[in-house]
Amino acid sequence: DAGITQSPRHKVTETGTPVTLRCHQTENHRYMYWYRQDPGHGLRLIHYSYGVKDTDKGEVSDGYSVSRSKTEDFLLTLESATSSQTSVYFCAISEGQGLWEQYFGPGTRLTVT
Amino acid sequence: AQTVTQSQPEMSVQEAETVTLSCTYDTSESDYYLFWYKQPPSRQMILVIRQEAYKQQNATENRFSVNFQKAAKSFSLKISDSQLGDAAMYFCAYSAYSNYQLIWGAGTKLIIKP
Repeated sequence: DAGITQSPRHKVTETGTPVTLRCHQTENHRYMYWYRQDPGHGLRLIHYSYGVKDTDKGEVSDGYSVSRSKTEDFLLTLESATSSQTSVYFCAISEGQGLWEQYFGPGTRLTVT
Repeated sequence: AQTVTQSQPEMSVQEAETVTLSCTYDTSESDYYLFWYKQPPSRQMILVIRQEAYKQQNATENRFSVNFQKAAKSFSLKISDSQLGDAAMYFCAYSAYSNYQLIWGAGTKLIIKP
């Protein structure tokens, strides 16, 4: 299994509070991704990174920000959580893009009350 | 905008039988990649099979094969000799050469009957 961990694995927070999710990899892969998974929508890309300090927006980036100060860590921040951000969040990594396989972390279940 | 559609929210098959999951996509690109990923109850997402659009030959991985019809924009997954361990959500995904972001379908839940 690819060495990807996510923390926390479960979190319950209140509307309006900031939340940071962490993704850590031990594979030294260049690309890292944050997705959210909701019933009926499959996975949707929030942000991705193509190197240290290099990030770009995905399909559903509003309300989220990311940072990557080290190759191994990719942080996702919800500045002011809303109930619509209740979801399961997955981090993924890949060596390259295109046909390269993406390896996924175990997911974080976030509930915003 | 590119979209991926999986029209079967749920499918069931008898153990040892063959099942086909459908996927269609919409794109104006000529060069792209297509994937099937599996998500068992453990929630771990696992790559099953992948295909480059310029390759006419259908990809095969052991009991898993695809039927890629580029003109029809169809990319179905066939699972032969279904096993209990194949029970999972299956997601079809698309990625264009131009931006490499994966676009995902909503998924098909596959149930295996013993």
